[in-house]
Amino acid sequence: QQQVKQSPQSLIVQKGGISIINCAYENTAFDYFPWYQQFPGKGPALLIAIRPDVSEKKEGRFTISFNKSAKQFSLHIMDSQPGDSATYFCAASNYGGSNQGGKLIFGQGTELSVKP
Amino acid sequence: KAGVTQTPRYLIKTRGQQVTLSCSPISGHRSVSWYQQTPGQGLQFLFEYFSETQRNKGNFPGRFSGRQFSNSRSEMNVSTLELGDSALYLCASSFYGKNTGELFFGEGSRLTVL
Repeated sequence: QQQVKQSPQSLIVQKGGISIINCAYENTAFDYFPWYQQFPGKGPALLIAIRPDVSEKKEGRFTISFNKSAKQFSLHIMDSQPGDSATYFCAASNYGGSNQGGKLIFGQGTELSVKP
Repeated sequence: KAGVTQTPRYLIKTRGQQVTLSCSPISGHRSVSWYQQTPGQGLQFLFEYFSETQRNKGNFPGRFSGRQFSNSRSEMNVSTLELGDSALYLCASSFYGKNTGELFFGEGSRLTVL
């Protein structure tokens, strides 16, 4: 019940295309859903995050779509660029619960490659 | 503002030895979390410290331990190393209480166990 399932494992997209990564969770106590981006040799960095009271959040070319009833959320990268090539992780936490702030449950990651 | 600093960045140990990894959080951050990253298991939560107290613990054996000091710096220790402990160990800090939930990760300590 603590798992977050992420797909696909790898994704190849042409420059200018749309990259879509999907995640599903089971624990209905999760109330915070961030996406992290990781470049080789670096630690993950927060890209965008959403809470379950909204169905969509957009920041620049990055959009999270959230479906509370299906317990699914996805990341859309519009106009994908070669510089977006990285590993993307979805995550979830029970942030609002007592003492859960630093505990994120991560998906397995998606290696995105954007071809020029 | 300096980011999260982890030392050492790389280290090689042999089975049975122990290792201590260090993490200096971003100034003002009081929460420090540790994660293990491997190709097979991905990113797994080890534990979190806040104000020198362990607040959460993941599903790792007792060989994995940690502590936090009064200046929020943290260390994690792995005793009796096994081959499977080879991984990238990531430290993350956050300003808990600001309700952003954002974790700021360091670049990690890459441990190789031979």
